[in-house]
Amino acid sequence: EVQLVESGGGLVQPGRSLKLSCAASGFTFSNYYMAWVRQAPKKGLEWVATISTSGSRTYYPDSVKGRFTISRDNAKSSLYLQMNSLKSEDTATYYCARRMYTTDYYYYFDYWGQGVMVTVSS
Amino acid sequence: DIQMTQSPASLSASLEEIVTITCQASQDIGNWLSWYQQKPGKSPQLLIYGATSLADGVPSRFSGSRSGTQYSLKISRLQVEDIGIYYCLQAYSAPYTFGAGTKLELK
Repeated sequence: EVQLVESGGGLVQPGRSLKLSCAASGFTFSNYYMAWVRQAPKKGLEWVATISTSGSRTYYPDSVKGRFTISRDNAKSSLYLQMNSLKSEDTATYYCARRMYTTDYYYYFDYWGQGVMVTVSS
Repeated sequence: DIQMTQSPASLSASLEEIVTITCQASQDIGNWLSWYQQKPGKSPQLLIYGATSLADGVPSRFSGSRSGTQYSLKISRLQVEDIGIYYCLQAYSAPYTFGAGTKLELK
């Protein structure tokens, strides 16, 4: 059974840093691109970052580029999100997700973690 | 960036009714479109991928279709367990973008 379990959330002051982790199990972690998606309270979903299987390629939207860093440790089947210079608008539930693709390479997220809450406030 | 315009924002329907939710892409995204259901307090769950393919374990009353840059999610006979918020996602190009969501309620 595929499982994604996030951890590391909490309350942090604006301008400070926080690192989220996602422990994966039930599949060969190193074979999949992985991603982070967030959801501000009572708001919609926002894609935050994607990382390639080896970790050599990473992708971010402008809203977090330069502040957030996605990384992975395939030996530990773990995904990470280092968040620096945090702002109040980064307050959200952060989900770890597995990116899957069809034979025609149509991408989608097939498994999601339960989410971890990050609150940025003084 | 590709914009995904989802409609309606909210929808009230009766049991057994047919429900349709649409997403309009701002440019051609092919079949790089997926649909997700999110129930209160839960993480999103995949319903449809590749615009028309049903995810494993998803009831056959759910279906996806495409007409050009317009994508639709149809629930053929609404059930109580279908209540929640539905999102479309384009993964054609970064930044990946979600629709704003459709809140589906029971009438």
